[in-house]
Amino acid sequence: DAGVTQSPTHLIKTRGQQVTLRCSPISGHKSVSWYQQVLGQGPQFIFQYYEKEERGRGNFPDRFSARQFPNYSSELNVNALLLGDSALYLCASSLVPVGYGYTFGSGTRLTVV
Amino acid sequence: AQKVTQAQTEISVVEKEDVTLDCVYETRDTTYYLFWYKQPPSGELVFLIRRNSFDEQNEISGRYSWNFQKSTSSFNFTITASQVVDSAVYFCALSGLSSNTGKLIFGQGTTLQVKP
Repeated sequence: DAGVTQSPTHLIKTRGQQVTLRCSPISGHKSVSWYQQVLGQGPQFIFQYYEKEERGRGNFPDRFSARQFPNYSSELNVNALLLGDSALYLCASSLVPVGYGYTFGSGTRLTVV
Repeated sequence: AQKVTQAQTEISVVEKEDVTLDCVYETRDTTYYLFWYKQPPSGELVFLIRRNSFDEQNEISGRYSWNFQKSTSSFNFTITASQVVDSAVYFCALSGLSSNTGKLIFGQGTTLQVKP
């Protein structure tokens, strides 16, 4: 079975642009979470979606938004990119939203110039 | 507030040495979950273990072992007879039930370098 897949793997954007990152969870997993990992730090929680509803949101500005589709895949959108948005964006999926093991994808490396 | 502290930023050992990675956590939840993840240079977080707050039994899996002590709020990870392939960044993480989101709070990570 395929693991959590994320696309693209790398991308470079200019300040002020918008970006969309995509995540496909493990088959059967209904919960998807997004994390931002700045170089040298631990991942920071951005969003969790379960059954297509937002279940949790971290301390990120409204420029960050996400959604989950009927097939449980998810997109993370970031508007008006700042240099500080440069990071590794990780997606994690799980069967249920709380207390279960989380499987992470390989991430999308976003560079804002 | 919930917090995870990994005081060791970097550890360097020679192959076959034993090494312990420390993790101290803070939470007011009575039900919570603790995790360890390994992050190799490729970037993917690899799940190693999950432990719930009601299960203080230590666990061993091959060369890996975990020591969970609620009395000291610690969840330490030991690698016995380390190998070069163990070189990676290791993260300890906490998820408290009160958040109802499954949100993981990560520590800053410990970079382990195993030299041949």
